[in-house]
Amino acid sequence: ETGVTQTPRHLVMGMTNKKSLKCEQHLGHNAMYWYKQSAKKPLELMFVYNFKEQTENNSVPSRFSPECPNSSHLFLHLHTLQPEDSALYLCASSQEAVSETQYFGPGTRLLVL
Amino acid sequence: GQNIDQPTEMTATEGAIVQINCTYQTSGFNGLFWYQQHAGEAPTFLSYNVLDGLEEKGRFSSFLSRSKGYSYLLLKELQMKDSASYLCAVNTGGFKTIFGAGTRLFVKA
Repeated sequence: ETGVTQTPRHLVMGMTNKKSLKCEQHLGHNAMYWYKQSAKKPLELMFVYNFKEQTENNSVPSRFSPECPNSSHLFLHLHTLQPEDSALYLCASSQEAVSETQYFGPGTRLLVL
Repeated sequence: GQNIDQPTEMTATEGAIVQINCTYQTSGFNGLFWYQQHAGEAPTFLSYNVLDGLEEKGRFSSFLSRSKGYSYLLLKELQMKDSASYLCAVNTGGFKTIFGAGTRLFVKA
């Protein structure tokens, strides 16, 4: 148990659907991250929030929309996705965002049809 | 550009020692991490190096040479449960951590 939970664990959606991924951390951390992990590719940083403020947007397409209502919760809203967006989406948190160990959630396995 | 290289796959025998290498070329350096990721699970932290040298933690050790842009993870007394992917990651400053593609380690009996 890492203290970071993600729901749902698996998601299948059509290209016209709208869905949201949820992440919650119970570690009292101030920074939260979204990563995309595709098969045989490195983890790609998507977004970083520090004290609820977005500090990084790694050139992510606008069909991915993050939301961070407080330091414990992070959402990723999805709309009009493409099949190539199918991947494992990992959420992570850290105490501060600089040179700190990140604690990862179990991920949401997303399949876009 | 930013680049982290590590072997794609390695195989070792139970009880043996294995060394997983990582080389990096990044615009900044604020420390190097190793994470372990079992299939279908979240990555979990193994080690952090920011200064040159060897950090030992039980059966796992990690080495860093900043001048060479090189690190390795050493796993001793291998166990079957060590079969996993090992991710090398570099914090390039601020909020950015860049990950390698990972090395899949297979431990055989």
